[in-house]
Amino acid sequence: AQTVTQSQPEMSVQEAETVTLSCTYDTSESNYYLFWYKQPPSRQMILVIRQEAYKQQNATENRFSVNFQKAAKSFSLKISDSQLGDTAMYFCAFEGEYGNKLVFGAGTILRVKS
Amino acid sequence: GAGVSQSPRYKVAKRGQDVALRCDPISGHVSLFWYQQALGQGPEFLTYFQNEAQLDKSGLPSDRFFAERPEGSVSTLKIQRTQQEDSAVYLCASSLAPRAKLNQPQHFGDGTRLSIL
Repeated sequence: AQTVTQSQPEMSVQEAETVTLSCTYDTSESNYYLFWYKQPPSRQMILVIRQEAYKQQNATENRFSVNFQKAAKSFSLKISDSQLGDTAMYFCAFEGEYGNKLVFGAGTILRVKS
Repeated sequence: GAGVSQSPRYKVAKRGQDVALRCDPISGHVSLFWYQQALGQGPEFLTYFQNEAQLDKSGLPSDRFFAERPEGSVSTLKIQRTQQEDSAVYLCASSLAPRAKLNQPQHFGDGTRLSIL
């Protein structure tokens, strides 16, 4: 079974600075998908960025980028120029190529301070 | 609607009561998922539908939990004889395509917060 581990329960960052959230996972599959979701207090799970394992190039979405290390099974999220609106719980998630469910980590609370 | 809609947003029930949670997926989305999110934790998979067919119910914690999607659109998650450990946020998600053919991201609703007294 796949597992996803987020080892940072809480992180803080000053507005406009850069922060990196860590995620590791375990799988025996060769192709799969990885995601970062953001969950503000409103509870809606919002997709931030996704990465396909067979793609070497790291995904980027505006201020959000990932560092995907397939051999190390690591998938970290970098947020540049942090904004107050980035304050939320962030979840790393895994989906197998032929899977039908997301496997989530326990989450990291990110607080952006002014 | 534009997104996944869940109702009610909050539900309080006494232990032993039955509850029903509703999910309206994005129009045209084939796949529908239910997740359970305990306080301070990540969501955990409960069940998956492709159209009206329930293809995976491996995450349902007990036979008190039942889900249906009779016409391949709206889905209902029913919990019978509720217990305090059922207290959680129940999230519904939908995606455009069947999982095995093409990866499509899941779009989530705002969830129903269920509190069992």
